[in-house]
Amino acid sequence: GAGVSQSPSNKVTEKGKDVELRCDPISGHTALYWYRQSLGQGLEFLIYFQGNSAPDKSGLPSDRFSAERTGGSVSTLTIQRTQQEDSAVYLCASRAGTGNQPQHFGDGTRLSIL
Amino acid sequence: GNSVTQMEGPVTLSEEAFLTINCTYTATGYPSLFWYVQYPGEGLQLLLKATKADDKGSNKGFEATYRKETTSFHLEKGSVQVSDSAVYFCALSFQKLVFGTGTRLLVSP
Repeated sequence: GAGVSQSPSNKVTEKGKDVELRCDPISGHTALYWYRQSLGQGLEFLIYFQGNSAPDKSGLPSDRFSAERTGGSVSTLTIQRTQQEDSAVYLCASRAGTGNQPQHFGDGTRLSIL
Repeated sequence: GNSVTQMEGPVTLSEEAFLTINCTYTATGYPSLFWYVQYPGEGLQLLLKATKADDKGSNKGFEATYRKETTSFHLEKGSVQVSDSAVYFCALSFQKLVFGTGTRLLVSP
């Protein structure tokens, strides 16, 4: 079936605006993750959803960042009042089964804050 | 906390050379270990994995063995190709992935 799908692939916005990034995981995958890839910080974990459990938000860098996962499928990552340091590639991954199964990544959304 | 250390790049090799990219980890417990690869302009792809000590992951001629004693998961390939040029990330996971900084491999003809 289809892999992890992310949209948009590129987003350019002005500082201070809000942005929403979307992730469509692989069908049937119960776990969904958001990561951020930037030059200065490498690959960083942001947030993790597993089934109906409360999400692990321990990687969110500030309260401007939030995420939802509706109906156990599609997820939206929202960044409010964007700052230039938010510029990065935002990656979504999904996983079946337990933590020793591999995560499968989407192609990411490249976010540029002017 | 949990962390992954991998060798600085870039690693520059000629085609058909032997490749080793070192990776060591620090973790409380026994995580699953992964190598991901990112080709130019593309997303992260799983290369191989190992879930317990002494497991050997292999794919596309690449291999890595989960060494509990040395907390290592070094990536090896006997004969690299130009098409292997990419950035390689070592990672550990209990639930979420913790990545190393990545190692860029450049293979010249």
